[in-house]
Amino acid sequence: DAGITQSPRYKITETGRQVTLMCHQTWSHSYMFWYRQDLGHGLRLIYYSAAADITDKGEVPDGYVVSRSKTENFPLTLESATRSQTSVYFCASIRGSGANVLTFGAGSRLTVL
Amino acid sequence: DAKTTQPPSMDCAEGRAANLPCNHSTISGNEYVYWYRQIHSQGPQYIIHGLKNNETNEMASLIITEDRKSSTLILPHATLRDTAVYYCIVRPIYMEYGNKLVFGAGTILRVKS
Repeated sequence: DAGITQSPRYKITETGRQVTLMCHQTWSHSYMFWYRQDLGHGLRLIYYSAAADITDKGEVPDGYVVSRSKTENFPLTLESATRSQTSVYFCASIRGSGANVLTFGAGSRLTVL
Repeated sequence: DAKTTQPPSMDCAEGRAANLPCNHSTISGNEYVYWYRQIHSQGPQYIIHGLKNNETNEMASLIITEDRKSSTLILPHATLRDTAVYYCIVRPIYMEYGNKLVFGAGTILRVKS
């Protein structure tokens, strides 16, 4: 299916476990982003990527790792999950030029116990 | 840091126009203004964007001041379904490495019957 998909949609894990959230887009957009949204708050940028193999930190990168070996995939890994990482995570993508729309996935709700 | 500032919340009567302001005083000549909204915990959805001129689509109108330092999103006849968080962001016409798309806290619009 065309679009941007995130998986899993819901995940419960325990403190200290490694968790990977997947993001896949079918448009070959060059730019991809990961945001987190805590209850009652706005979106905060974790990491972003300008192209395959090019990633950079956002506002709140600590505790997260990203990779982008293929243009269409941008996984986000919590190497050792903490309770403070309980949040809803949104992936987004956009083409690099012109009046294009930043399109978001449906979100992944992560609970760390 | 976000390059925009918005009031934290606004109320609007159902059927009346909702006017949501956004300040982007440091915007440059090659940056668009984009508006998104987020209903409950869904992924943010695109509403409208503009560069210099006022814009209108089936959802809303966007008024950009002549100096481009602020803008107003207008929902002409607000309904209860328009209750959401509204975000304005600025983004370059041509994305380059290092361009982060940072969202502010947005404005919570409450439409009341």
